[in-house]
Amino acid sequence: NAGVMQNPRHLVRRRGQEARLRCSPMKGHSHVYWYRQLPEEGLKFMVYLQKENIIDESGMPKERFSAEFPKEGPSILRIQQVVRGDSAAYFCASSPLEGAIGYTFGSGTRLTVV
Amino acid sequence: AQSVTQLDSQVPVFEEAPVELRCNYSSSVSVYLFWYVQYPNQGLQLLLKYLSGSTLVESINGFEAEFNKSQTSFHLRKPSVHISDTAEYFCAGGTQGGSEKLVFGKGTKLTVNP
Repeated sequence: NAGVMQNPRHLVRRRGQEARLRCSPMKGHSHVYWYRQLPEEGLKFMVYLQKENIIDESGMPKERFSAEFPKEGPSILRIQQVVRGDSAAYFCASSPLEGAIGYTFGSGTRLTVV
Repeated sequence: AQSVTQLDSQVPVFEEAPVELRCNYSSSVSVYLFWYVQYPNQGLQLLLKYLSGSTLVESINGFEAEFNKSQTSFHLRKPSVHISDTAEYFCAGGTQGGSEKLVFGKGTKLTVNP
């Protein structure tokens, strides 16, 4: 039973490009959470999704960021027109039920904007 | 505001010495409390969690944490550390209501020296 798979592990983008981060939850997990870790900071919640639904996006920046979790395939975190301040590690966690009790984190995607 | 505070950003200790990593939470954070460990360039691994019941929780590798409601603390301790314990440790609390996302502290870097 594979864990939470995130890819790519490392992503380099030039300012203004788009970044797509993928998260495949564990088998049987239908709840996905995205967190961002800025340098020297703890993780901060971005968005919570279930299949085909955004449940809570209170932590998402208002512009340029979007997330989806389609019926088939991985969850995608999309950042348009990236800026240097988007450089961070992005982690997703999946869970078989709502809430943090059942979280399993992926290894993260480290985005560097140059 | 919901918050988790880790009082020490860095803790250097010698091998086989005891260690305590401090964590305090705001009363608006739920009583689901977690400690995660992050090794360099890796994701977060759950170390231990408090959900209910006994206020002392233990991990399989010798760490323990005690939930103290009156002091709103959840400090992590180990009586004798190893070089391999060198990592960053994050305390987190589940938020009350809503989607129960996690609120993280800023992390404590534990360095175990020979």
